[in-house]
Amino acid sequence: AQSVSQHNHHVILSEAASLELGCNYSYGGTVNLFWYVQYPGQHLQLLLKYFSGDPLVKGIKGFEAEFIKSKFSFNLRKPSVQWSDTAEYFCAVNAREYGNKLVFGAGTILRVKS
Amino acid sequence: KAGVTQTPRYLIKTRGQQVTLSCSPISGHRSVSWYQQTPGQGLQFLFEYFSETQRNKGNFPGRFSGRQFSNSRSEMNVSTLELGDSALYLCASSLGRTVYPQETQYFGPGTRLLVL
Repeated sequence: AQSVSQHNHHVILSEAASLELGCNYSYGGTVNLFWYVQYPGQHLQLLLKYFSGDPLVKGIKGFEAEFIKSKFSFNLRKPSVQWSDTAEYFCAVNAREYGNKLVFGAGTILRVKS
Repeated sequence: KAGVTQTPRYLIKTRGQQVTLSCSPISGHRSVSWYQQTPGQGLQFLFEYFSETQRNKGNFPGRFSGRQFSNSRSEMNVSTLELGDSALYLCASSLGRTVYPQETQYFGPGTRLLVL
């Protein structure tokens, strides 16, 4: 069975600090990878996605993620966080043969101090 | 283009009752998936509907069911509600194709169900 682990449940950073959120998945086949964000009081929004090609993908709001196949990882990064990045971040994976079934990590709550 | 809409947004039920939640996908999207979000279990996949057929199912009891209409709108039903069914139920839509490609799911705001 597929599983996704996010290394940190809570992260607190000051504005302008760099961010890296870890995500590892367990599945040996071909996968699609996603990061979603849930801002306070809002619904899940797509930050970025990886399907194939360049393993470094760029998303909205200055976020990027790198797919490292050998490590089964898809870590999310941002060079300089802002107070408005305070949110919960979810890594999600779907295996191609399981169609649209997304398996989510437990989420990482990021709080950015101004 | 309008996003995924879900109704109702909030619902309070008592144990033993049943509930029906509705989801309207983004126009042109044919696949609708449902997820349950709880503090303890996180986000878990319930099922996916495509062309009015259940295409994929998660590990939930048979009390959880769904259907999809010809206009791609979907409903999910939970019968004999239990306290543990209290959760945010999210609907997501994607284009939907006959083979599994690289699709992105777009989520609605959810229906928050409280079971007393």
